[in-house]
Amino acid sequence: QKEVEQNSGPLSVPEGAIASLNCTYSDRGSQSFFWYRQYSGKSPELIMSIYSNGDKEDGRFTAQLNKASQYVSLLIRDSQPSDSATYLCAVNMLKSNFGNEKLTFGTGTRLTIIP
Amino acid sequence: DGGITQSPKYLFRKEGQNVTLSCEQNLNHDAMYWYRQDPGQGLRLIYYSQIVNDFQKGDIAEGYSVSREKKESFPLTVTSAQKNPTAFYLCASSIRRGSQYFGPGTRLTVL
Repeated sequence: QKEVEQNSGPLSVPEGAIASLNCTYSDRGSQSFFWYRQYSGKSPELIMSIYSNGDKEDGRFTAQLNKASQYVSLLIRDSQPSDSATYLCAVNMLKSNFGNEKLTFGTGTRLTIIP
Repeated sequence: DGGITQSPKYLFRKEGQNVTLSCEQNLNHDAMYWYRQDPGQGLRLIYYSQIVNDFQKGDIAEGYSVSREKKESFPLTVTSAQKNPTAFYLCASSIRRGSQYFGPGTRLTVL
């Protein structure tokens, strides 16, 4: 089992609809969870971070965390063509003595918004 | 403007050469990281540093070396011992317990 698992896609969603991206992780002790957006040929851009169970909303984006089931999801409401990108899920799998976080990344889900 | 810069954007290496990738940040972040990304794969951690003059190996450190002489700078050297260095290299930084932010990346190609 991969430590952080995502469906590679491609996931196609009509413009204006809700895009739902999922991520599961293997380490039950994981503490922090992140979603990054990566356009083709560019570096990842942080969209959301979530640390506790439940939902966290930021504009059109909502991150959902369920630690008991070991999954985290990202919902994109009112999807736009500019949302077409690869979305990377990252999980804190280890805490160092200094408190910084070593992240483990999934391979990403490629999302395409169809106009 | 605060941010993370990486140079060069594109780098070509001949077989047997060592090359150094630059990463600088003016965000006053304590921690810095180097990742490698290959097509169809997630980011893999090469090295990370939490404070000046200290760094730890990540998951794929063989064939790479780093230094952290200044808080702002974390250069990565790809040595000739790295057998398959062609990849997209990403530098990131963070405050303690904070989210990681990425630089624009360096695309390395072996000729």
